[in-house]
Amino acid sequence: AQTVTQSQPEMSVQEAETVTLSCTYDTSESDYYLFWYKQPPSRQMILVIRQEAYKQQNATENRFSVNFQKAAKSFSLKISDSQLGDAAMYFCAYRGMDSNYQLIWGAGTKLIIKP
Amino acid sequence: SAVISQKPSRDICQRGTSLTIQCQVDSQVTMMFWYRQQPGQSLTLIATANQGSEATYESGFVIDKFPISRPNLTFSTLTVSNMSPEDSSIYLCSVEVGRETQYFGPGTRLLVL
Repeated sequence: AQTVTQSQPEMSVQEAETVTLSCTYDTSESDYYLFWYKQPPSRQMILVIRQEAYKQQNATENRFSVNFQKAAKSFSLKISDSQLGDAAMYFCAYRGMDSNYQLIWGAGTKLIIKP
Repeated sequence: SAVISQKPSRDICQRGTSLTIQCQVDSQVTMMFWYRQQPGQSLTLIATANQGSEATYESGFVIDKFPISRPNLTFSTLTVSNMSPEDSSIYLCSVEVGRETQYFGPGTRLLVL
């Protein structure tokens, strides 16, 4: 069975600095999708970034980018120029091609932005 | 993407009562999902709802406790029946777009006294 591990329960970063959130996963599938979601105190779950496993190029969305290491089964999220609005819980999620549409979730990392 | 609304946004209920949560999406979608998120936890999938078929429940969740309706391609409801304080959670609906990406509603915060 697939698993997703976020080993950092909490991270903090100074405003305008860069922070990296870690995510590792375990799977025997060769094709799959990986996601980072953000959940601010408002509790809305917001898609931050998506990576297709067959793409070697790392996904980027403005200040958010990933470091996807398929062989190492690692999928870290880098947030550049951190802003106060980035404070939230960040969840890593996996979706296999044959996983019956289910997302497998990590436990989450709480990101604190220091002004 | 998709724009999803949920009603109510929050509620406080007495034990033994039932609450129905509505989820409306701005476009037609095949797959809709209902999740529970207990305080400080990640998301747990309750069930998957396809239009025109019975919902598929995950282990630990049963239809008598969490009946789901899916009358059309833009709407679904989840009922939390015979509530107890252990049902206090955030309930979220989501839809799948493009065969792989889920987009979420704003959630319903439920407190059972």
